[in-house]
Amino acid sequence: AQTVTQSQPEMSVQEAETVTLSCTYDTSENNYYLFWYKQPPSRQMILVIRQEAYKQQNATENRFSVNFQKAAKSFSLKISDSQLGDTAMYFCAFGGTSYGKLTFGQGTILTVHP
Amino acid sequence: GAGVSQSPRYKVAKRGQDVALRCDPISGHVSLFWYQQALGQGPEFLTYFQNEAQLDKSGLPSDRFFAERPEGSVSTLKIQRTQQEDSAVYLCASSLVAGQSYEQYFGPGTRLTVT
Repeated sequence: AQTVTQSQPEMSVQEAETVTLSCTYDTSENNYYLFWYKQPPSRQMILVIRQEAYKQQNATENRFSVNFQKAAKSFSLKISDSQLGDTAMYFCAFGGTSYGKLTFGQGTILTVHP
Repeated sequence: GAGVSQSPRYKVAKRGQDVALRCDPISGHVSLFWYQQALGQGPEFLTYFQNEAQLDKSGLPSDRFFAERPEGSVSTLKIQRTQQEDSAVYLCASSLVAGQSYEQYFGPGTRLTVT
């Protein structure tokens, strides 16, 4: 079974600064995907970024990028130029089955201060 | 277009009552997932449908939990004889096709409180 660990329950950052959220996972599978999802207060969860395990190149989506270290089973999220709208709970998730079942971490609450 | 919708958004049940939670996925989406999210925690997988077939129900915590998707679109999660430990947010998610790379679109959830 897969496990996903987010060791930072809460993080805070000033607007326009950069913050990195950590995630580690454990699996015996070789082919899988990793995701970061964002859950704003009282709003729906949305996908931020995804990474294919067989790709060495780190994924980027505008201000969001990941540092994927497959051997270390580490998958951190970097948010550049933080904005107030980035305030949310962030979940790291592992997708390993053929149909896409997700295993989530415990989440990190990120607060962006003006 | 319309996203994933869930109803009711909030449900209060007395211990021992049966509840039914509804999920309307995005039209045409093949895959449908149910997750349970305890307060302050990450969602945990409950069950998976591919069209009308329930292919994985390994996450259902007990035989009091039952899910169906009879016509391959709307899904219902039913909890019989609710217990306090069933209090949680129940999330539904759908994706266009079955596959580990595909984005799951989440509904707003149903917050169930068992008193």
